[in-house]
Amino acid sequence: DARVTQTPRHKVTEMGQEVTMRCQPILGHNTVFWYRQTMMQGLELLAYFRNRAPLDDSGMPKDRFSAEMPDATLATLKIQPSEPRDSAVYFCASGVPAADFTYNEQFFGPGTRLTVL
Amino acid sequence: AQSVAQPEDQVNVAEGNPLTVKCTYSVSGNPYLFWYVQYPNRGLQFLLKYITGDNLVKGSYGFEAEFNKSQTSFHLKKPSALVSDSALYFCAVRLQSRRALTFGSGTRLQVQP
Repeated sequence: DARVTQTPRHKVTEMGQEVTMRCQPILGHNTVFWYRQTMMQGLELLAYFRNRAPLDDSGMPKDRFSAEMPDATLATLKIQPSEPRDSAVYFCASGVPAADFTYNEQFFGPGTRLTVL
Repeated sequence: AQSVAQPEDQVNVAEGNPLTVKCTYSVSGNPYLFWYVQYPNRGLQFLLKYITGDNLVKGSYGFEAEFNKSQTSFHLKKPSALVSDSALYFCAVRLQSRRALTFGSGTRLQVQP
C-alpha cells in the first residue's frame, strides 16, 4: 500500500557537517510537510510545500536549514552546518488538500532520527 | 494564534476499561480537529478527524472522539482499552485558512494487562 518513505532512517554525524534528509511523498500527493520532534519541543512544523512551491517555512531556522522539492517525488531537508541542538526525529508528511478542505489527513513517514555529536 | 493543549502527559488504564485522552483547543475560527497515534519508532498515524456534522466522530481501531464546541474540547475515547493501544497520542488542530496542523504535546497512554 502507498506510504511516505524517508531516508536515511538514522543518521549520526559530527557538528559542522552537512546533513541531507530525503522524503518521497505518496504518489499524487501535492502537499509535503516537514516536522521535527524533540522531547523538549514536541512536534513542530518546519516547512510545507504545495505543488513543489514553499508555502510556509517560518518554523525553520533560515541560516542553516533549507528545504526543497526538486521534483514531485522528492523532498529534501538540509542542515548546514549541523549543531548538537538539531538532534531530533525529522518527519515528512504528505497529503492532498481539497478545495473545500474536507480531505485533510496527513500521511507521515517513519522519520529520520538525527544525532549530531 | 491557534493552539491545542493536552493536559495529561500520561494516562494509565487497565485493559478492558474505558479510556479518555483529553484535548482542548483555542482557535479564532472554525477548527478542524484530528487525533494521531504514534507507536515506538514509527511515524504518526491518522486516527480520526472532525470537520463538521455529528459531534461524535468514529475512527480507526475502535476509537472515537467527541467535539464539544462550548468547552472547546475534542477528547479521544474508547469503550474498552487494549494493551496494544499503548502509544503516544497527539491531538491537532487546523484552521480552514491554513494547511499545516498545530499539534499538542502528546499524551502517553499506558494500558496495563
